[in-house]
Amino acid sequence: DIVLTQSPATLSVTPGDSVSLSCRASQSISNNLHWYQQKSHESPRLLIKYASQSISGIPSRFSGSGSGTDFTLSINSVETEDFGMYFCQQSNSWPHTFGAGTKLELK
Amino acid sequence: EVQLQQSGPELEKPGASVKISCKASGYSFTGYNMNWVKQSNGKSLEWIGNIDPYYGGTSYNQKFKGKATLTVDKSSSTAYMQLKSLTSEDSAVYYCARSGRYDDYAMDYWGQGTSVTVSS
Repeated sequence: DIVLTQSPATLSVTPGDSVSLSCRASQSISNNLHWYQQKSHESPRLLIKYASQSISGIPSRFSGSGSGTDFTLSINSVETEDFGMYFCQQSNSWPHTFGAGTKLELK
Repeated sequence: EVQLQQSGPELEKPGASVKISCKASGYSFTGYNMNWVKQSNGKSLEWIGNIDPYYGGTSYNQKFKGKATLTVDKSSSTAYMQLKSLTSEDSAVYYCARSGRYDDYAMDYWGQGTSVTVSS
């Protein structure tokens, strides 16, 4: 199975900061990488698909980049509503797997 | 509006089975795959498998083969997941989530989750 390693595990930030979350795959997955946000007691929400494709209804401050094994989710000027967990997921090969997540918290 | 409405929380005894439902609305049910995802203790997510409602074909994570069975009822636009031989390790929140059938596997809509608790 493909292992996705997310870093850091926790990111403590102040509203207005710009941040980058990393997701590294154990083997090349081309651009078959998706990002989800999950707030406490809510279902995950798709933020970015296929590494960099934007999703309708998602604020433009969220962007994704990368291919192969290294991927980044960037949040330009974090807002208070952005705090929560962020997961990456690969759909390059079965079984589709998720990373362990990065917790974005208020400093 | 796309909605995935899951059935309510379940409390089961070890060794029992449970069947969770996910009723889809607001889109063509047979035009998208339905995935099932497990989340234990609010931690990370595990992809259990998916089903193509049009043909009924399934793909399973090897870890969940023999544990989970995915089915659909096209007449009611409802997907089901049955979990059998329950143990405490099956206590978790289970989500259904829609994805494309062929060329778009990102999960763009999710149900609200169904909590399953296994306890004697």
